[in-house]
Amino acid sequence: GENVEQHPSTLSVQEGDSAVIKCTYSDSASNYFPWYKQELGKGPQLIIDIRSNVGEKKDQRIAVTLNKTAKHFSLHITETQPEDSAVYFCAAITSGTYKYIFGTGTRLKVLA
Amino acid sequence: EAQVTQNPRYLITVTGKKLTVTCSQNMNHEYMSWYRQDPGLGLRQIYYSMNVEVTDKGDVPEGYKVSRKEKRNFPLILESPSPNQTSLYFCASSRSGTAKDRYEQYFGPGTRLTVT
Repeated sequence: GENVEQHPSTLSVQEGDSAVIKCTYSDSASNYFPWYKQELGKGPQLIIDIRSNVGEKKDQRIAVTLNKTAKHFSLHITETQPEDSAVYFCAAITSGTYKYIFGTGTRLKVLA
Repeated sequence: EAQVTQNPRYLITVTGKKLTVTCSQNMNHEYMSWYRQDPGLGLRQIYYSMNVEVTDKGDVPEGYKVSRKEKRNFPLILESPSPNQTSLYFCASSRSGTAKDRYEQYFGPGTRLTVT
């Protein structure tokens, strides 16, 4: 079946450095790619998303890139801060369905 | 306050004892979904509903049932729970409209279920 691979599973960075999380999806019909942030003890929260007709999207310190040919998409966080520490999930959805396929998550630790 | 609520937040039960986890949203959202979260496996979709009386299977529907009789509620039913259903469960909802509207999910706080 469809799946989304996410790497790395854990990532530690120094405050102020950049963090990159990568995902690969299998279903070529996927066309919507959100990223969620989950803080300890809470449900995931959408932080940014990208559609298949766009190669890059930026929102302040967060950016997402998409390579449809390679079926890769990545989350980039610049100037990381301690409050960026959380688990991040990527996901892929196929338009016309409501079937969400999530990656396995990346635990990001920003060291002060 | 716009929110998705789940009850109970914590539940310890025994194998075979039927249970229901309730989910309610006050945002008039059409779409609702249930997920389970397990270490190393991320979030896996159990069932989803695109409107009242419309439900469909996600990736891991075995052992679960859902119903959508009202727009705001989407209960998850475990008819005969087993230890492999021990997990953290999340309910989520989103509105109809643009693709972004449909896919921007609002998650509840989670229900931690232990089946012994």
